[in-house]
Amino acid sequence: EAQVTQNPRYLITVTGKKLTVTCSQNMNHEYMSWYRQDPGLGLRQIYYSMNVEVTDKGDVPEGYKVSRKEKRNFPLILESPSPNQTSLYFCASSGLAGGRSTDTQYFGPGTRLTVL
Amino acid sequence: GENVEQHPSTLSVQEGDSAVIKCTYSDSASNYFPWYKQELGKGPQLIIDIRSNVGEKKDQRIAVTLNKTAKHFSLHITETQPEDSAVYFCAASTDKLIFGTGTRLQVFP
Repeated sequence: EAQVTQNPRYLITVTGKKLTVTCSQNMNHEYMSWYRQDPGLGLRQIYYSMNVEVTDKGDVPEGYKVSRKEKRNFPLILESPSPNQTSLYFCASSGLAGGRSTDTQYFGPGTRLTVL
Repeated sequence: GENVEQHPSTLSVQEGDSAVIKCTYSDSASNYFPWYKQELGKGPQLIIDIRSNVGEKKDQRIAVTLNKTAKHFSLHITETQPEDSAVYFCAASTDKLIFGTGTRLQVFP
Protein backbone atom coordinates (compact mmCIF):
# COMPACT_ATOMS: atom_id res chain seq x y z
CA GLU A 1 0.00 0.00 0.00
CA ALA A 2 1.33 3.43 -1.01
CA GLN A 3 1.72 5.51 2.10
CA VAL A 4 3.59 8.08 4.14
CA THR A 5 4.28 7.07 7.71
CA GLN A 6 5.21 9.28 10.63
CA ASN A 7 6.39 8.44 14.11
CA PRO A 8 5.55 9.12 16.79
CA ARG A 9 1.89 10.07 16.32
CA TYR A 10 1.74 11.86 19.68
CA LEU A 11 4.56 13.36 21.69
CA ILE A 12 4.68 15.41 24.87
CA THR A 13 8.07 16.81 25.76
CA VAL A 14 9.69 19.63 27.71
CA THR A 15 11.43 22.76 26.57
CA GLY A 16 14.96 22.17 25.34
CA LYS A 17 14.86 18.39 25.01
CA LYS A 18 15.95 17.42 21.50
CA LEU A 19 13.51 15.33 19.53
CA THR A 20 13.17 13.78 16.08
CA VAL A 21 9.99 13.01 14.18
CA THR A 22 10.53 10.42 11.50
CA CYS A 23 8.88 10.34 8.09
CA SER A 24 9.08 7.58 5.51
CA GLN A 25 7.41 7.06 2.12
CA ASN A 26 7.27 3.96 -0.05
CA MET A 27 6.34 5.59 -3.37
CA ASN A 28 9.85 6.42 -4.57
CA HIS A 29 8.96 10.11 -4.52
CA GLU A 30 11.67 12.69 -5.07
CA TYR A 31 9.91 15.49 -3.23
CA MET A 32 9.26 15.47 0.50
CA SER A 33 8.07 18.24 2.77
CA TRP A 34 7.19 19.07 6.36
CA TYR A 35 4.23 21.25 7.32
CA ARG A 36 2.84 22.46 10.58
CA GLN A 37 -0.87 23.02 11.07
CA ASP A 38 -2.15 25.57 13.54
CA PRO A 39 -5.73 26.77 14.10
CA GLY A 40 -6.61 29.63 11.78
CA LEU A 41 -3.28 29.43 9.96
CA GLY A 42 -3.76 26.38 7.77
CA LEU A 43 -0.75 24.39 6.62
CA ARG A 44 2.59 26.15 6.57
CA GLN A 45 5.68 24.64 5.04
CA ILE A 46 8.70 24.19 7.30
CA TYR A 47 11.28 22.54 5.05
CA TYR A 48 11.26 20.62 1.82
CA SER A 49 13.57 18.39 -0.17
CA MET A 50 13.69 17.89 -3.90
CA ASN A 51 15.96 14.85 -3.68
CA VAL A 52 18.62 13.13 -1.60
CA GLU A 53 20.99 15.63 0.05
CA VAL A 54 18.93 18.55 -1.34
CA THR A 55 16.92 20.46 1.27
CA ASP A 56 15.58 23.99 1.45
CA LYS A 57 13.69 26.25 3.83
CA GLY A 58 9.98 26.71 3.61
CA ASP A 59 7.99 29.54 5.10
CA VAL A 60 8.56 28.81 8.81
CA PRO A 61 11.96 27.07 9.19
CA GLU A 62 13.16 28.70 12.42
CA GLY A 63 13.88 26.17 15.17
CA TYR A 64 13.79 23.13 12.87
CA LYS A 65 16.32 21.02 11.00
CA VAL A 66 15.91 18.28 8.42
CA SER A 67 18.08 15.79 6.61
CA ARG A 68 17.61 13.68 3.47
CA LYS A 69 20.23 10.94 3.46
CA GLU A 70 17.94 8.40 1.83
CA LYS A 71 15.20 8.94 -0.71
CA ARG A 72 12.48 7.37 1.42
CA ASN A 73 13.22 9.13 4.74
CA PHE A 74 12.94 12.78 5.75
CA PRO A 75 13.24 13.28 9.52
CA LEU A 76 12.31 16.54 11.24
CA ILE A 77 14.61 17.55 14.08
CA LEU A 78 13.85 20.01 16.87
CA GLU A 79 17.17 20.56 18.62
CA SER A 80 15.78 22.74 21.40
CA PRO A 81 11.98 22.66 21.31
CA SER A 82 10.02 25.59 22.69
CA PRO A 83 6.31 25.91 23.57
CA ASN A 84 5.60 27.86 20.36
CA GLN A 85 6.46 24.69 18.44
CA THR A 86 3.44 22.94 19.94
CA SER A 87 1.53 22.03 16.81
CA LEU A 88 0.28 19.30 14.49
CA TYR A 89 2.98 18.26 12.05
CA PHE A 90 2.53 16.62 8.67
CA CYS A 91 5.03 15.05 6.35
CA ALA A 92 4.15 14.87 2.66
CA SER A 93 5.69 13.48 -0.50
CA SER A 94 5.11 13.77 -4.22
CA GLY A 95 6.66 13.14 -7.57
CA LEU A 96 8.12 16.00 -9.55
CA ALA A 97 6.52 17.39 -12.71
CA GLY A 98 8.92 19.42 -14.79
CA GLY A 99 11.15 19.85 -11.77
CA ARG A 100 8.34 21.32 -9.70
CA SER A 101 6.42 19.72 -6.88
CA THR A 102 3.07 20.15 -8.56
CA ASP A 103 2.05 16.53 -8.49
CA THR A 104 -0.40 15.27 -5.91
CA GLN A 105 1.06 15.48 -2.44
CA TYR A 106 0.47 12.48 -0.20
CA PHE A 107 0.30 13.30 3.48
CA GLY A 108 1.20 11.25 6.50
CA PRO A 109 -1.26 10.84 9.40
CA GLY A 110 0.27 13.65 11.45
CA THR A 111 2.25 14.02 14.67
CA ARG A 112 0.72 16.00 17.49
CA LEU A 113 3.54 17.62 19.45
CA THR A 114 3.15 19.35 22.79
CA VAL A 115 6.12 21.22 24.26
CA LEU A 116 5.71 22.10 27.94
CA GLY B 1 5.09 35.47 -2.68
CA GLU B 2 1.80 33.67 -3.15
CA ASN B 3 -1.02 34.26 -0.68
CA VAL B 4 -4.21 32.20 -0.59
CA GLU B 5 -7.34 33.34 1.21
CA GLN B 6 -10.15 30.90 1.93
CA HIS B 7 -13.75 31.53 2.99
CA PRO B 8 -15.76 30.71 4.97
CA SER B 9 -13.82 29.31 7.90
CA THR B 10 -16.84 27.26 9.00
CA LEU B 11 -19.85 26.09 7.02
CA SER B 12 -22.88 24.18 8.25
CA VAL B 13 -25.38 22.67 5.84
CA GLN B 14 -28.28 20.27 5.94
CA GLU B 15 -27.78 16.88 4.36
CA GLY B 16 -28.70 17.06 0.68
CA ASP B 17 -27.92 20.76 0.35
CA SER B 18 -24.98 22.16 -1.62
CA ALA B 19 -21.81 23.61 -0.12
CA VAL B 20 -19.48 26.13 -1.72
CA ILE B 21 -16.02 27.09 -0.50
CA LYS B 22 -14.16 29.96 -2.13
CA CYS B 23 -10.50 30.82 -2.44
CA THR B 24 -8.57 33.70 -3.92
CA TYR B 25 -4.89 33.76 -4.77
CA SER B 26 -2.45 36.58 -5.37
CA ASP B 27 0.19 35.25 -7.78
CA SER B 28 -1.07 35.30 -11.36
CA ALA B 29 1.67 32.77 -12.24
CA SER B 30 -0.04 30.06 -10.14
CA ASN B 31 -1.08 27.25 -12.43
CA TYR B 32 -2.21 24.37 -10.23
CA PHE B 33 -5.11 24.44 -7.74
CA PRO B 34 -5.76 21.34 -5.65
CA TRP B 35 -8.35 20.79 -2.95
CA TYR B 36 -7.63 18.60 0.05
CA LYS B 37 -10.03 17.02 2.54
CA GLN B 38 -8.86 16.37 6.09
CA GLU B 39 -10.91 14.04 8.22
CA LEU B 40 -10.53 13.99 11.97
CA GLY B 41 -7.22 12.44 13.05
CA LYS B 42 -5.94 12.04 9.50
CA GLY B 43 -3.70 13.84 7.08
CA PRO B 44 -5.11 15.90 4.19
CA GLN B 45 -6.07 13.91 1.11
CA LEU B 46 -6.44 15.24 -2.42
CA ILE B 47 -10.06 15.17 -3.62
CA ILE B 48 -9.90 17.18 -6.83
CA ASP B 49 -7.53 19.52 -8.64
CA ILE B 50 -7.58 21.85 -11.60
CA ARG B 51 -4.89 23.35 -13.78
CA SER B 52 -4.87 26.86 -15.16
CA ASN B 53 -5.77 25.84 -18.70
CA VAL B 54 -9.16 24.50 -17.55
CA GLY B 55 -12.12 26.51 -16.25
CA GLU B 56 -14.10 23.75 -14.58
CA LYS B 57 -13.68 20.14 -13.52
CA LYS B 58 -16.22 17.74 -12.08
CA ASP B 59 -15.97 14.41 -10.31
CA GLN B 60 -19.34 12.99 -9.26
CA ARG B 61 -20.70 15.31 -6.52
CA ILE B 62 -17.60 17.51 -6.42
CA ALA B 63 -16.71 20.28 -8.85
CA VAL B 64 -14.08 22.98 -8.95
CA THR B 65 -14.24 26.19 -10.94
CA LEU B 66 -11.41 28.55 -11.77
CA ASN B 67 -11.60 32.20 -12.78
CA LYS B 68 -8.07 33.20 -13.74
CA THR B 69 -8.96 36.80 -14.47
CA ALA B 70 -10.37 37.33 -10.99
CA LYS B 71 -7.90 34.90 -9.40
CA HIS B 72 -10.73 32.98 -7.75
CA PHE B 73 -11.37 29.28 -7.51
CA SER B 74 -14.18 27.45 -5.75
CA LEU B 75 -15.13 23.99 -4.56
CA HIS B 76 -18.75 22.92 -5.02
CA ILE B 77 -20.18 19.88 -3.25
CA THR B 78 -23.70 18.88 -4.23
CA GLU B 79 -26.10 16.55 -2.39
CA THR B 80 -23.98 16.73 0.73
CA GLN B 81 -23.78 13.72 3.02
CA PRO B 82 -22.68 13.44 6.67
CA GLU B 83 -19.43 11.80 5.51
CA ASP B 84 -18.56 15.03 3.72
CA SER B 85 -18.02 16.59 7.14
CA ALA B 86 -14.32 17.47 7.36
CA VAL B 87 -11.88 20.34 7.01
CA TYR B 88 -11.23 21.37 3.41
CA PHE B 89 -8.09 23.16 2.23
CA CYS B 90 -7.54 24.90 -1.06
CA ALA B 91 -4.04 25.50 -2.37
CA ALA B 92 -2.34 27.31 -5.21
CA SER B 93 0.99 26.48 -6.74
CA THR B 94 3.68 27.90 -8.92
CA ASP B 95 6.72 25.94 -7.78
CA LYS B 96 5.33 25.00 -4.37
CA LEU B 97 1.94 24.65 -2.74
CA ILE B 98 0.56 27.49 -0.65
CA PHE B 99 -2.47 26.45 1.37
CA GLY B 100 -5.52 28.38 2.45
CA THR B 101 -6.50 28.46 6.11
CA GLY B 102 -9.15 25.76 5.83
CA THR B 103 -12.95 25.46 6.01
CA ARG B 104 -14.64 23.24 8.55
CA LEU B 105 -17.72 21.78 6.86
CA GLN B 106 -20.43 20.20 9.00
CA VAL B 107 -23.26 18.33 7.32
CA PHE B 108 -26.21 17.73 9.61
CA PRO B 109 -28.52 14.74 8.98
